Amino acid sequence: KAGVTQTPRYLIKTRGQQVTLSCSPISGHRSVSWYQQTPGQGLQFLFEYFSETQRNKGNFPGRFSGRQFSNSRSEMNVSTLELGDSALYLCASSFFQETQYFGPGTRLLVL
Amino acid sequence: GENVEQHPSTLSVQEGDSAVIKCTYSDSASNYFPWYKQELGKRPQLIIDIRSNVGEKKDQRIAVTLNKTAKHFSLHITETQPEDSAVYFCAATLQGGSEKLVFGKGTKLTVNP
Repeated sequence: KAGVTQTPRYLIKTRGQQVTLSCSPISGHRSVSWYQQTPGQGLQFLFEYFSETQRNKGNFPGRFSGRQFSNSRSEMNVSTLELGDSALYLCASSFFQETQYFGPGTRLLVL
Repeated sequence: GENVEQHPSTLSVQEGDSAVIKCTYSDSASNYFPWYKQELGKRPQLIIDIRSNVGEKKDQRIAVTLNKTAKHFSLHITETQPEDSAVYFCAATLQGGSEKLVFGKGTKLTVNP
């Protein structure tokens, strides 16, 4: 099976812009979770989607949002970008209550 | 909410020695504890996991132990090799609801040849 894929892999934006990141899970996986990874805060949970429904949300401002499509692909959106949003954004997919497998991440740089 | 503490933050060992990384968690309801290895510039990859109904699990040179009473779990790597050098993350979650993983801050392991 193909692994989790994320696009784009690298992104440079300026403050105030918005960005959309995409995640394609492993075939058959219906749960997609998103994490933000920074050197200072480590890996932090953003949100999780299962069957197009958000099941849980981390402690991030409302500028961070996401959605999941009927084919389980997921997108996350960050509006009004701030310098502190520069990070590696990782998505992970899992079959119901099983291991989470991570994608390669999207590295976002906000200037 | 759940909190996971991980120690040490850095660990340097000689090739062939053992390495131990320890984590404690706060939510006694947590029932699933994976360990991920992340090499520089790469994605986190699962190396071993343990569920709360098991006290120990071993896979070749890697083992994980879980003490539910004390709410801590540990990763043990024996006969370390230079390719074991990476950042290791522990995590905890309550499976059965959301798939939210709460991660420790990571341990940078360096294996010196």
